[in-house]
Amino acid sequence: KAGVTQTPRYLIKTRGQQVTLSCSPISGHRSVSWYQQTPGQGLQFLFEYFSETQRNKGNFPGRFSGRQFSNSRSEMNVSTLELGDSALYLCASSVGGLSYEQYFGPGTRLTVT
Amino acid sequence: EDKVVQSPLSLVVHEGDTVTLNCSYEVTNFRSLLWYKQEKKAPTFLFMLTSSGIEKKSGRLSSILDKKELFSILNITATQTGDSAIYLCAVDPRQGGSEKLVFGKGTKLTVNP
Repeated sequence: KAGVTQTPRYLIKTRGQQVTLSCSPISGHRSVSWYQQTPGQGLQFLFEYFSETQRNKGNFPGRFSGRQFSNSRSEMNVSTLELGDSALYLCASSVGGLSYEQYFGPGTRLTVT
Repeated sequence: EDKVVQSPLSLVVHEGDTVTLNCSYEVTNFRSLLWYKQEKKAPTFLFMLTSSGIEKKSGRLSSILDKKELFSILNITATQTGDSAIYLCAVDPRQGGSEKLVFGKGTKLTVNP
């Protein structure tokens, strides 16, 4: 079974731009969660999608948004990028949600200059 | 505010040593506690704990939860260099039907030969 894939793996953007990250879950997994990881804050939960609906949301500003498609692939968008958005963005998929075993992708390293 | 605190933040041991990693939490409605191992990029799932006093075991790793004292420990016996990683603890504090995962900052374990 193929694992979770994320594209792109690395990204450099400038302040004020927007960015879209993509995540393809493991086949058969309907839940996709997104996380931001920084050295200072550690791993923080962004949101979770299940069957194309945002089911859970962390404490991030509205600049962070996402969506899920009918094939369970998910995209995350960050608008009006700030320097503090530089981080590793991880997505994870599971069969049923956050309290199920989650399988993480390799992450997208975003650098905002 | 939901909080997960891991200790120690870092630990250096020699191969063959036994280590105990700690995770304490303060959450409104506890649902489950999860342990992950993060080596290079993607965290990998280790254990999910929901009931007090029941040890979960996988090879040289074991974990137990104390819901009265609000903590969990992760034990690794006969450590090997391949155990070097960041160990993350996360709690699912279900609130009003929604879930989110709250992560600790992690314990960085280094096992020297």
